[in-house]
Amino acid sequence: GENVEQHPSTLSVQEGDSAVIKCTYSDSASNYFPWYKQELGKGPQLIIDIRSNVGEKKDQRIAVTLNKTAKHFSLHITETQPEDSAVYFCAASIREGGKLIFGQGTELSVKP
Amino acid sequence: GAVVSQHPSWVICKSGTSVKIECRSLDFQATTMFWYRQFPKQSLMLMATSNEGSKATYEQGVEKDKFLINHASLTLSTLTVTSAHPEDSSFYICSAREQGADGYTFGSGTRLTVV
Repeated sequence: GENVEQHPSTLSVQEGDSAVIKCTYSDSASNYFPWYKQELGKGPQLIIDIRSNVGEKKDQRIAVTLNKTAKHFSLHITETQPEDSAVYFCAASIREGGKLIFGQGTELSVKP
Repeated sequence: GAVVSQHPSWVICKSGTSVKIECRSLDFQATTMFWYRQFPKQSLMLMATSNEGSKATYEQGVEKDKFLINHASLTLSTLTVTSAHPEDSSFYICSAREQGADGYTFGSGTRLTVV
């Protein structure tokens, strides 16, 4: 089955710096790659997603890139703010509406 | 946007009792709902996939007789933890997807503590 690896497990940056989180997936049939932000005691919130027919997607300070050949995708957060501090998860889905397999998570800390 | 309501947000129960968690899609019809379990500082682990009107599909290692899932309508799925034990204490999260729509919407989670 699908396996998603996420790195790093923790990331500390200064406010205003950029943060990059990387994920690799195992099943080349995966076609949907969302990123979620989870705050303590809450459910995950979708922040951006990308489909396999697109190489890059951007939404203000957040961008995601996808390399299908290498089977990896990355989350880029620019101009980080303290409120960006949370746990971020990548995920992959093999088919439309199919189950999501999550990466291990990255705890991002943005220091003022 | 799509909203998924999950209740209760937290529950404490005694060992041996059963607990029911509800997951409702408020403004869309969810043909498929998913149930996850998350231990502290760990990722979300998929427990089962439930489709409206049919039996749930459980992931390997998840006891279907212990974690009963019912998806009786297009807007409601329930997870019942039967004969709960302290090791079942965890954060349970549901998600739902509207047919034809992009993305999955997650509930706010339920913190279960078994004492």
